[in-house]
Amino acid sequence: AQSVTQLDSQVPVFEEAPVELRCNYSSSVSVYLFWYVQYPNQGLQLLLKYLSGSTLVKGINGFEAEFNKSQTSFHLRKPSVHISDTAEYFCAVSEGEGGSEKLVFGKGTKLTVNP
Amino acid sequence: EPEVTQTPSHQVTQMGQEVILRCVPISNHLYFYWYRQILGQKVEFLVSFYNNEISEKSEIFDDQFSVERPDGSNFTLKIRSTKLEDSAMYFCASRKRGLYNEQFFGPGTRLTVL
Repeated sequence: AQSVTQLDSQVPVFEEAPVELRCNYSSSVSVYLFWYVQYPNQGLQLLLKYLSGSTLVKGINGFEAEFNKSQTSFHLRKPSVHISDTAEYFCAVSEGEGGSEKLVFGKGTKLTVNP
Repeated sequence: EPEVTQTPSHQVTQMGQEVILRCVPISNHLYFYWYRQILGQKVEFLVSFYNNEISEKSEIFDDQFSVERPDGSNFTLKIRSTKLEDSAMYFCASRKRGLYNEQFFGPGTRLTVL
């Protein structure tokens, strides 16, 4: 069985500051990794995904994440945040090719960008 | 841009009543999912559906739950006899065929059981 831990439930930052949202996972099989964002009153939107290949993945809105297999981490980063990045961010994992496609989510991190 | 829609946005019901949550997936998608999020907890997988049958379900998805694709556009989740602990946000998702394609999520239905 897989699990995802998002170490920070809330992250406040100032506009234009860098941010890192942490995600660790556990799994006995190979995995695919995802970050989703949820803006108020909206559904979950995919920011980026890691399936295979390069461990540095670039997504939408200037976000990127790095897959670290040895540390079982998939931290999300942005070098300079905007007010509009205020949202809740969810890390998720699924089994790799041929496995279950259900997404297992972390509890989410609320990012608040202050002026 | 096509999107997954869900109705209603908020449903209030009495314990023991049946509810049907409705979803319209993106039109060329073939795989459908329901997830739920109890307030303050993680988003949890309930069920996946493909080719008019359940392909996977979680422990949560017991006999009180059922899913259906009654026509070519809707995908429904029915809870036969709601319990207080069914109160949650329910998300529908869909994806198209492919090696691994993104699951597109709807905005959710907030179910409140009194």
